[in-house]
Amino acid sequence: RKEVEQDPGPFNVPEGATVAFNCTYSNSASQSFFWYRQDCRKEPKLLMSVYSSGNEDGRFTAQLNRASQYISLLIRDSKLSDSATYLCVVLMNTGFQKLVFGTGTRLLVSP
Amino acid sequence: GAGVSQTPSNKVTEKGKYVELRCDPISGHTALYWYRQSLGQGPEFLIYFQGTGAADDSGLPNDRFFAVRPEGSVSTLKIQRTERGDSAMYLCASNRGPDTGELFFGEGSRLTVL
Repeated sequence: RKEVEQDPGPFNVPEGATVAFNCTYSNSASQSFFWYRQDCRKEPKLLMSVYSSGNEDGRFTAQLNRASQYISLLIRDSKLSDSATYLCVVLMNTGFQKLVFGTGTRLLVSP
Repeated sequence: GAGVSQTPSNKVTEKGKYVELRCDPISGHTALYWYRQSLGQGPEFLIYFQGTGAADDSGLPNDRFFAVRPEGSVSTLKIQRTERGDSAMYLCASNRGPDTGELFFGEGSRLTVL
């Protein structure tokens, strides 16, 4: 089983739609969680951290369910510029703290 | 200030050749990471340096891969006897150390082994 699993998509949605991505992780000792965004042929960049209580940044909402080892990202009112791959990232304590990336979920927002 | 710099941006080589990929992290960042990313996949961890020492090299696929960071700044990823399966984007990232979730990535070095 992969350490971090995501549906690779693609998710095709119209502008203005709400879309949700899910991610599961295998190591229950994982400490911190993040969503990164990667544009085509570009490097990944941090989108937002995921806190236990859930957190929101504008149109983006991240949630964590430790009991189910599940993380989600909700994007409201999708924009064309949201088209990208969204990577779920887990900070695992394996002797040192290693950031493990999921495969990524591709989002395509169309006019 | 300058971000993470990686050279070369593109490298095409023949099977069996030796390759070096260079990473210059953000000034002051003590932690440096190498990841490898194939098309349609997420970045795959290779090795992590804290200062000059490799704190974890468990992601290196085999002994053809080696990385150094002799002065705690610039790092070089070395691949011997390259194989076609080594073709990928090699990403370097840095941050101020463990417990930090944000990695600052370079633009990567795309390696193609013919």
